[in-house]
Amino acid sequence: GESVGLHLPTLSVQEGDNSIINCAYSNSASDYFIWYKQESGKGPQFIIDIRSNMDKRQGQRVTVLLNKTVKHLSLQIAATQPGDSAVYFCAEIPPLRNNAGNMLTFGGGTRLMVKP
Amino acid sequence: DTEVTQTPKHLVMGMTNKKSLKCEQHMGHRAMYWYKQKAKKPPELMFVYSYEKLSINESVPSRFSPECPNSSLLNLHLHALQPEDSALYLCASSQDSLTYEQYFGPGTRLTVT
Repeated sequence: GESVGLHLPTLSVQEGDNSIINCAYSNSASDYFIWYKQESGKGPQFIIDIRSNMDKRQGQRVTVLLNKTVKHLSLQIAATQPGDSAVYFCAEIPPLRNNAGNMLTFGGGTRLMVKP
Repeated sequence: DTEVTQTPKHLVMGMTNKKSLKCEQHMGHRAMYWYKQKAKKPPELMFVYSYEKLSINESVPSRFSPECPNSSLLNLHLHALQPEDSALYLCASSQDSLTYEQYFGPGTRLTVT
């Protein structure tokens, strides 16, 4: 199944299926993007990142795709497991503001529910 | 040690109380952050400290007062809060303020009554 991110905050998939979580980012000048996983009662946990000069990056069971033309980011999780159940946030880092430091700007989040 | 710790885990306070949230990391990181997260919403940046100096304040009300006593510790002092300030307060750290990857603590769940 496929989520449309901000307007469909819950994605329910069967264990073993692939999941696709989408995110629209706001700043066309952002040059770095991160996907975070947040489990109930915990802080966000880094999953995978991608720079703006890349279209695709693969990790272990996860792939991030970046489409700068439409400012769209997606996270693909292969063979989804119950332990993948969490809220997933994309985050962008816009250009430095007055050299004060990199600021993470989070997207709205999607809840992934994995049915056993 | 890649852990950011936060205390307390839960805090309930009245609108006239003064309390403090604490954050600690021993990764040698020189940038530390406070975020506020309301239920079912993404984290929102409040403050950034770089080398123990406040570098970003995202127009946060003065009833929230951050403090960075040394490179491992970050406090958030709370005074005269409102019920709408109830949220999960997350601390994060990164190698420095120009490093992208931030490590988050588990948060303090704050309820203002």
